[in-house]
Amino acid sequence: AQTVTQSQPEMSVQEAETVTLSCTYDTSESNYYLFWYKQPPSRQMILVIRQEAYKQQNATENRFSVNFQKAAKSFSLKISDSQLGDTAMYFCACTGNQFYFGTGTSLTVIP
Amino acid sequence: DGGITQSPKYLFRKEGQNVTLSCEQNLNHDAMYWYRQDPGQGLRLIYYSQIVNDFQKGDIAEGYSVSREKKESFPLTVTSAQKNPTAFYLCASSTRLRGEQFFGPGTRLTVL
Repeated sequence: AQTVTQSQPEMSVQEAETVTLSCTYDTSESNYYLFWYKQPPSRQMILVIRQEAYKQQNATENRFSVNFQKAAKSFSLKISDSQLGDTAMYFCACTGNQFYFGTGTSLTVIP
Repeated sequence: DGGITQSPKYLFRKEGQNVTLSCEQNLNHDAMYWYRQDPGQGLRLIYYSQIVNDFQKGDIAEGYSVSREKKESFPLTVTSAQKNPTAFYLCASSTRLRGEQFFGPGTRLTVL
């Protein structure tokens, strides 16, 4: 069975600082995708970043980047220059025969 | 504008009643999904559908039913057999089964 583990239930970061959210996964699939989703207080799920497992290069989207370690099955999200609008729940997800989500990390950006 | 709509935003139900949550998408996506979100448990898959007139159970399908008569629509019925239905329900769609999923705004169901 596939699993996605986010070991940090809550984190906080000072505005303008950098924070890294951890995610590990377990899959038997050879071709899979990894995602980070953001869920702000409005509860709308928003895609932050996507990584194809067959690509070695780490994905980057503006202030968001990932550290993808395929052998270690690790997929962490780095947020640079944190902004107040980054306050949200962040979910890591992995595809297999379906989508598998982690339990989320609640991030608070402190002014 | 393309997107996914869910209605209603808030829904109240008496115990023993069935209730149907609506999900519509105009993204021309083939695959659609229903998730349940409870505090501290992330998203759990209820049902998913890859094509019209076909759907599969997810991890927590008991007490729920779905239909997929049109590509654009994937309604979820919460039946009286669902023992603890109070939760936040999210609908999503994707171009293919393993593709990036786009989410609707969600429906908060409360059983009174």
